Amino acid sequence: DIQMTQSPSSLAASVGDRVTITCRASRVFNTWLAWYQQKPEKAPRSLIYDASKLESGVPSRFSGSASGTEFTLTISSLQPEDFATYYCQQYGSFPPTFGGGTKVEIK
Amino acid sequence: EVQLLESGGGLVQPGGSLRLSCAASGFTFNRHAMSWVRQAPGKGLEWVSSISDSGGATYYADSVKGRFTISRDNSKNTLNVQMNSLRAEDTAIYYCARDWNYGGPLYYFDDWGQGIQVTVSS
Repeated sequence: DIQMTQSPSSLAASVGDRVTITCRASRVFNTWLAWYQQKPEKAPRSLIYDASKLESGVPSRFSGSASGTEFTLTISSLQPEDFATYYCQQYGSFPPTFGGGTKVEIK
Repeated sequence: EVQLLESGGGLVQPGGSLRLSCAASGFTFNRHAMSWVRQAPGKGLEWVSSISDSGGATYYADSVKGRFTISRDNSKNTLNVQMNSLRAEDTAIYYCARDWNYGGPLYYFDDWGQGIQVTVSS
């Protein structure tokens, strides 16, 4: 199975900050990687698929990129509604696996 | 609007069984693969099982293989999972999730239900 390691596991940031979350895969696969946002007591919401494609309705301040086994989610200017936990997930190799999550908290 | 509504959760003793269902609406159910994803208390997400659009192909995580059976009824737009021989480590919120792909699962989940709690405890 491909292990997905997210970093950091948590971070504190202010509204307006640029935030970057990294997800590293244990081995190379294609760019079939997704990012999800989960708020407390809510279901995950898909943000990005195929490493860099934005889901419909997702604000353009969210972006994703890939380089080898490293994948990055960037929030260009953090908004109050962005405080949540973010998960990466690879679907390029069976079984699909998730990263451990990154909790974005208010500084 | 896509809607996925899980039901059937609750408290069950170790070794017991439970059947979860997910009622789908707002999209052409029989064109999409479907999946179950779970989240243990305070933990991350774990893929559990997937089924193709026709129901002819099923896929399981090693942690549930041989104990869980996924199925679907396309005439009723319903996804199910029969969970047998339940263990304490199966305690989680179980989410029904729509696969982005038509046909077989691609394992990218573009819509999720609100989740339902399953607790395995004596």
